Amino acid sequence: GESVGLHLPTLSVQEGDNSIINCAYSNSASDYFIWYKQESGKGPQFIIDIRSNMDKRQGQRVTVLLNKTVKHLSLQIAATQPGDSAVYFCAEKENAGGTSYGKLTFGQGTILTVHP
Amino acid sequence: GAGVSQSPSNKVTEKGKDVELRCDPISGHTALYWYRQSLGQGLEFLIYFQGNSAPDKSGLPSDRFSAERTGGSVSTLTIQRTQQEDSAVYLCASSSTRGNTEAFFGQGTRLTVV
Repeated sequence: GESVGLHLPTLSVQEGDNSIINCAYSNSASDYFIWYKQESGKGPQFIIDIRSNMDKRQGQRVTVLLNKTVKHLSLQIAATQPGDSAVYFCAEKENAGGTSYGKLTFGQGTILTVHP
Repeated sequence: GAGVSQSPSNKVTEKGKDVELRCDPISGHTALYWYRQSLGQGLEFLIYFQGNSAPDKSGLPSDRFSAERTGGSVSTLTIQRTQQEDSAVYLCASSSTRGNTEAFFGQGTRLTVV
């Protein structure tokens, strides 16, 4: 759903630890999912994506897991660094048709803080 | 251009005035989105344009808000009779097709209503 008027959950980790950020999405018709990173004063930037015909995708230090049964998405960051401190958003896109065809809907967001 | 461009980057306006925020999407992108983000909060969907289809205006918070997209490219978000609660960062994004491609965001316009 839309994140309106909500204060964001936070996750604090130590440098070098692995981080897991979770997201519950709302639309069972969504077939494409994206994780974005937003640093202070900037627009969100693409990290990694996954299609609904996959359950796992790996990038550089990041892995996205998709569980369509429970409509859950997670982002794993390996060996978290201070530069990873940011707000992380998941997003879902429905490509099946209807008035929301192709619309990108964002999750609530999570503030990740990495302590040196 | 190389990315999504928004102008102005900052706007301070007096309560009751009208403002226009501009978004230049990536050339060739058919989808364009506007979002609003208050300090420390998430992304609030406002409006979505896709090609020549009727826009999805379901996120516009009141009739003081409107947006248009001319020639399938540049978009303008207009806020009439601004209120202090309109203060936020307004983000624009564009993507190439309805398919499996990510949206690219601009840097946003920080609107302050005093």
